Amino acid sequence: AQSVTQPDIHITVSEGASLELRCNYSYGATPYLFWYVQSPGQGLQLLLKYFSGDTLVQGIKGFEAEFKRSQSSFNLRKPSVHWSDAAEYFCAVARPLGNEKLTFGTGTRLTIIP
Amino acid sequence: DVKVTQSSRYLVKRTGEKVFLECVQDMDHENMFWYRQDPGLGLRLIYFSYDVKMKEKGDIPEGYSVSREKKERFSLILESASTNQTSMYLCASVGLMTYEQYFGPGTRLTVT
Repeated sequence: AQSVTQPDIHITVSEGASLELRCNYSYGATPYLFWYVQSPGQGLQLLLKYFSGDTLVQGIKGFEAEFKRSQSSFNLRKPSVHWSDAAEYFCAVARPLGNEKLTFGTGTRLTIIP
Repeated sequence: DVKVTQSSRYLVKRTGEKVFLECVQDMDHENMFWYRQDPGLGLRLIYFSYDVKMKEKGDIPEGYSVSREKKERFSLILESASTNQTSMYLCASVGLMTYEQYFGPGTRLTVT
């Protein structure tokens, strides 16, 4: 069975600093990979996704993620965070050519300090 | 703009009550999902539906049932609510083979 690990429960970053959120997955082959963001009081929004090809993926709101097969990782990055990036971030995987079911990690809560 | 709506943002029910949570999408999506979200546990799939009147159990279906009579509407039913079903419930829909799930704003259910 596939699984997703987000080792950091809570991260605090200063506004303007760079950010990296970690995600590791367990799957027999290369899954489809996703990052979602949940702002306070809202549903989840897709930031970016990886299916195949270029391992560096650009998303919305200035985020990017890099797929590293050797490390079974799909870490999310942003060069300079803004106060509005404070939210909870979820990594997710799906079986390629499956039924669109996602398996989510437990999430990382991001706090931004001025 | 794509939209997934849920019938209530906040709901308070008593133990033993039958609870209906409704989800409506306007994107003509085939697949719809119900998750519950709990702190430290992330999102866990309760049920999903890949077509009208079709459903499959997710990872935590116990205590829940679902109904999908129309393509745009997917209902989650708690037959007899219990306090351990106090949670945030999120609905999502996704078009066939796109994998991009669109989420509703969630219903925070409290069972007392």
